[in-house]
Parts: sequence; structure tokens; C-alpha cells
Amino acid sequence: QVQLQESGPGLAKPSETLSLTCTVSDYSVTGGHYWGWIRQPPGKGLEFIGSIYHSGSTYYNPSLKSRVTMSVDTSKNQFSLKLSSVTAADTAVYYCARVLLFSGAAAAFDFWGQGTMVSVSS
Amino acid sequence: DIQLTQSPFFLSASVGDRVTITCRASQGISSYLAWYQQKPGKAPNLLIYAASTLQSGVPSRFSGSGSGTEFTLTISSLQPEDFATYYCQHLNSYPLFGPGTKVDVK
Repeated sequence: QVQLQESGPGLAKPSETLSLTCTVSDYSVTGGHYWGWIRQPPGKGLEFIGSIYHSGSTYYNPSLKSRVTMSVDTSKNQFSLKLSSVTAADTAVYYCARVLLFSGAAAAFDFWGQGTMVSVSS
Repeated sequence: DIQLTQSPFFLSASVGDRVTITCRASQGISSYLAWYQQKPGKAPNLLIYAASTLQSGVPSRFSGSGSGTEFTLTISSLQPEDFATYYCQHLNSYPLFGPGTKVDVK
């Protein structure tokens, strides 16, 4: 059973960079899947942030693209998210997840971390 | 840009009811549509992918149908553990989620 666990500071200051890491267990990040980040502001819906392949290939939500950087550390079986110039609007639960492939195309997120709450406040 | 809409936004139902939720895409997305269930304080749980393929371990009372621009999630007989919020999602060409449908106790 694939397990994912988010980690990182629960608080970020406005204008700073939010950094989160997702540690994957019982499955290799080089195992042929993309990996993604999704967030959910309090009381609101889900928003796709971006996805990454172990080769470094990325796809970012166009609305966040200018502020997002994702990377993979295969030696630690982790992938990471950096979101720059944060504001209160970036306050959310951040989830990492694995992309399920179906017929060679990205179909869904099949395994999720439990989520980590990040608040942006001075 | 593709947009996903869901209807209804809120649904009151009783245990044993047949429940149907609709997701519409602003342009054709073939069968690249997934459905998730989310309970308060928990991560979303994948129910259906590729419009109609049941994820392993998901009860058979859940089913999905549709292609192109209109999709449905059906719960054949609502159980107490099914009261939750349901999201549709398109991931392939332009990843995004629908706004969600909350299923509450009538």
C-alpha cells in the first residue's frame, strides 16, 4: 500500500516562500508515476497545484505557475513544493498524491497524504 | 480553459435513497473524469476514474457514467457512511476539480 506523508512548517509569513516535502513509502518515486500537489483552503474546494515526474518533467496550474517550483529527490524517495510570494489566500491544507495512469494518460490521484495545514500570517 | 460544474451543489437524502450527481465540462474531455469522496478533516478518496471504472476497494453501490461533456456519479442505495462531499476531476489535459456536491442527511 503506497503511503505519502507531507511535512513542512505550518506557518509562513506573507511574501515568503512556502516549502513542503512529501515522503513516499512502500513505492518508489521512480516507479513510473507522476506525483502531484493539491490544496484546499478552509471550507472551500480542491485546487490542483502541479505534478512532477522523477525525470523532472513538470506541469503547473497556469494560475500558480509563476510562483510554483516542484522537485524530486530520488535518493530520499521524496518530492517537494515551493510556493513563493505567499499571501493569506495561500492558506490551505496542502495534499500530496500519486497520479494514476490509465491507458497511458493521467486519470486521477489514487493515493493521498493526510494533508498538512499551512497558514500564511504575519 | 476547461471548466467543470457540478449539480446539485447541495443534496439532502436519506439512507437507502438512490443519489445522482452530475458533472458537466465546458468542452469535451472524452472519458477523462474521476470522482472523489471527501469527509471532513480527511483527504479525498478516489471512487471512480475514466468516467466509469470503479477504484479497487470501493463498494459496488457507487457507479459512474458519461463521456464528452456530461458525467454522472450514482450511489444506488445511500449508506450512513456516504454522507460526504463529492468532487469530480479532470486531470489529463487541463487538471482541475469541480466545485463539489455536499450530500447531507434529510
